[in-house]
Amino acid sequence: DTAVSQTPKYLVTQMGNDKSIKCEQNLGHDTMYWYKQDSKKFLKIMFSYNNKELIINETVPNRFSPKSPDKAHLNLHINSLELGDSAVYFCASSLSTSGNTIYFGEGSWLTVV
Amino acid sequence: AQKITQTQPGMFVQEKEAVTLDCTYDTSDPSYGLFWYKQPSSGEMIFLIYQGSYDQQNATEGRYSLNFQKARKSANLVISASQLGDSAMYFCAMREGYSGGYQKVTFGTGTKLQVIP
Repeated sequence: DTAVSQTPKYLVTQMGNDKSIKCEQNLGHDTMYWYKQDSKKFLKIMFSYNNKELIINETVPNRFSPKSPDKAHLNLHINSLELGDSAVYFCASSLSTSGNTIYFGEGSWLTVV
Repeated sequence: AQKITQTQPGMFVQEKEAVTLDCTYDTSDPSYGLFWYKQPSSGEMIFLIYQGSYDQQNATEGRYSLNFQKARKSANLVISASQLGDSAMYFCAMREGYSGGYQKVTFGTGTKLQVIP
């Protein structure tokens, strides 16, 4: 059983399109995250949710809109995709924001052409 | 200021030797946590080890140990008896207080380790 699963794993799309990445965790965790990893492998937090409540929003363009319908799901919708959005997007979860383990999904490789 | 600093962009180690990957951190929060993750070329993020700021002993998990020096604000990862499968990017991360009583995790820039046969 995959603890944190995200789909799709690979996504190639044209500039200007809108796309979504879905994430689900079956660990019963309260906290979920979206991280972006750029071409230099730098991992930067984008959003964090705790029990469906947005608690971290790190100066991300408002073209990115997270949605958490319940605490097991955190989806990421991106409008008007730009070349610079090409990256690997990781969903993750932890028991709480002070958890001692963060479990990551396999990543979604987004390429904007 | 960088919250997490990994000064070694790349390192080589001979198979079966031990290697230390450096990590220093900066926080004024008395309650924080430190993590190490491994990212092989396949891309997944694998949790290795965790150290809480109040933990008295250094964390160990199999061949991984965290050399926690609180006064120096360093949390180096030591891998003993390196194996070829240890070749990967290694990320240090820190959890610290954020607004609203929540905590935030910040990652370092990573160290690419290559194990030589």
